[in-house]
Amino acid sequence: DTGVSQNPRHKITKRGQNVTFRCDPISEHNRLYWYRQTLGQGPEFLTYFQNEAQLEKSRLLSDRFSAERPKGSFSTLEIQRTEQGDSAMYLCASSLVRDSLYEQYFGPGTRLTVT
Amino acid sequence: GQNIDQPTEMTATEGAIVQINCTYQTSGFNGLFWYQQHAGEAPTFLSYNVLDGLEEKGRFSSFLSRSKGYSYLLLKELQMKDSASYLCAVQDSNYQLIWGAGTKLIIKP
Repeated sequence: DTGVSQNPRHKITKRGQNVTFRCDPISEHNRLYWYRQTLGQGPEFLTYFQNEAQLEKSRLLSDRFSAERPKGSFSTLEIQRTEQGDSAMYLCASSLVRDSLYEQYFGPGTRLTVT
Repeated sequence: GQNIDQPTEMTATEGAIVQINCTYQTSGFNGLFWYQQHAGEAPTFLSYNVLDGLEEKGRFSSFLSRSKGYSYLLLKELQMKDSASYLCAVQDSNYQLIWGAGTKLIIKP
């Protein structure tokens, strides 16, 4: 396995358009996380899944944001009616629950630019 | 509330030693992570501490004091490639990571 992958790597869209990002985690990992990161800041947690169950979504930034993980494998993050403030790096991470160490492995991220 | 504090930026000289501090206040504690992030890239795992004390891994060491809500990352024999941001993150009672804003480390020759 080559690690966590994300597509696309870069997305430029016009304000008001919808965008969808995909994350493929490390195959044996059961947890999948979505983060947003802006310049000079640490990752900001958005949501996470354990297998196909979305266990936390209250920190999604608004009702324009939604995420799915339909079969407990890959996940998608959708942003509807994008705004310029949505411009950021969107990071996906996965982990394997074992003991108390939940080390997260990150994908390369999707950089979104809203014009 | 939950808070992770670390310096915004530090500068050090190639070959020297630097210590990056992190203080935290979180709801629950299930370990503290340090990640390295080069500009434009994803964070990569460096270390994990859940018990008090020092964990050494090559040129990098990480220390934790749970009673003081304090950790540091120690980097020895600095190399130019160590120029990056270093992120402190605490795993809370729900096993979610609470992240600091990161410390940008600049290495000068």
